[in-house]
Amino acid sequence: AQKITQTQPGMFVQEKEAVTLDCTYDTSDQSYGLFWYKQPSSGEMIFLIYQGSYDEQNATEGRYSLNFQKARKSANLVISASQLGDSAMYFCAMRLYTGFQKLVFGTGTRLLVSP
Amino acid sequence: DTAVSQTPKYLVTQMGNDKSIKCEQNLGHDTMYWYKQDSKKFLKIMFSYNNKELIINETVPNRFSPKSPDKAHLNLHINSLELGDSAVYFCASGRQGPSNQPQHFGDGTRLSIL
Repeated sequence: AQKITQTQPGMFVQEKEAVTLDCTYDTSDQSYGLFWYKQPSSGEMIFLIYQGSYDEQNATEGRYSLNFQKARKSANLVISASQLGDSAMYFCAMRLYTGFQKLVFGTGTRLLVSP
Repeated sequence: DTAVSQTPKYLVTQMGNDKSIKCEQNLGHDTMYWYKQDSKKFLKIMFSYNNKELIINETVPNRFSPKSPDKAHLNLHINSLELGDSAVYFCASGRQGPSNQPQHFGDGTRLSIL
């Protein structure tokens, strides 16, 4: 079984500041991938960043970085230099690399960036 | 070039009707998915097809019937629509196996049952 927990229903941040969105996961599998998606108010799902369970380095993609702590089973998303356009829902998701490899999502965090 | 396209974008219909949502991907992926996003924004997988074979069926009522005529298409037919079916339905595609390649999502179909 796999489970994703996002404990922050909503987060506020001022423009240009950094923000961390929390994600913890639960699985007994050793091989998996962790993904973050952004869903703006227009509704589409936008892939942001990926971390594999065997990756030793934390993933980075532009202003997004993933703080991966395997022993703690956490995969927090860090957004640096927040912009107004970052206001959206953010979903953490996990895919096991055994079995049918479905993507399991957390409940999401709504981020609001203020000027 | 739209990678995953689903139609229609909006679907408003009455209880008891039957409706279909179509999905097509041009990414060459071998696996396609249907997800349901409820009013609280929670996303949950419904079905998955790999090379036209159903591999995931997540305790979805049998009023929902997916069909994959080929690897690039996955349709969702819903019979006897109920109020609780109101949601956003997302189609997605991806590859099986360990990969840093994400699943790609369509823009969603917002289904509203009157």
